[in-house]
Amino acid sequence: GAVVSQHPSRVICKSGTSVKIECRSLDFQATTMFWYRQFPKQSLMLMATSNEGSKATYEQGVEKDKFLINHASLTLSTLTVTSAHPEDSSFYICSASKIGGRARTGELFFGEGSRLTVL
Amino acid sequence: DAKTTQPPSMDCAEGRAANLPCNHSTISGNEYVYWYRQIHSQGPQYIIHGLKNNETNEMASLIITEDRKSSTLILPHATLRDTAVYYCIVIGTYKYIFGTGTRLKVLA
Repeated sequence: GAVVSQHPSRVICKSGTSVKIECRSLDFQATTMFWYRQFPKQSLMLMATSNEGSKATYEQGVEKDKFLINHASLTLSTLTVTSAHPEDSSFYICSASKIGGRARTGELFFGEGSRLTVL
Repeated sequence: DAKTTQPPSMDCAEGRAANLPCNHSTISGNEYVYWYRQIHSQGPQYIIHGLKNNETNEMASLIITEDRKSSTLILPHATLRDTAVYYCIVIGTYKYIFGTGTRLKVLA
C-alpha cells in the first residue's frame, strides 16, 4: 500500500520556539493532505486540509497563524507550530488522499504521527 | 460528511469473532464507509471499506445494511494484537471527520 512518512516522530522543545513537522507521500502524489491532532485517549481532531499550491483550509477554532501549513509539492506538506506552548503538546498526524492510478476512492493513508512535547 | 456513531468500548475473547457496529444514518449515496484502527501512539491503519456490498479481505469483513445507515466490522478470530481503537468513517468528497471510535480490548 501507499506510504506516508512523518518526521520527526518525536520532538521536545522549549516554550516559545517553533517546530516544523514534515509529511511526505513516498510513492504517490497527494493533491490533498490532512493534519490531525490527538490528545491522550481522544479521537483524531481534524485541524486543516492542505491542498497543493493553495492555502490550507482550517477547521473552526484552529489558529492559522499558530499552525502554519505549507503544501508546496505533491509529495510534501509541512506543519509548523509557532511559538509553541505546553498546551500545544499533542500527537500530530498527517494523512494523504491518493488520487488516480489504483487508488480506491477517497482512501486516506496516514503517517506514523509526531509526538510534540513543549516544556 | 456524514457523522458516525460507535459504542465507546467493547471486550472480546481471544479467538472469538469481534463484531463492531457503526451507525451512519445520514450517509449519502456516493459516500464510502471506511474502517481504520489505531494502536496506541501510532497512525491509523486501514482495514477495509465498502459502498453498499459486503466486503471481505484478509483482515476483516464489512457488512453494510441494505439502507446503508449502519455497518458492522467483523474480525473473525480476534487476537491480542487486535486490541486497538477502531474508527468507522464516512468518506465523501471533502472532510474526513473521525468519531470517537470503539476501544476494543481482546481478552486472553
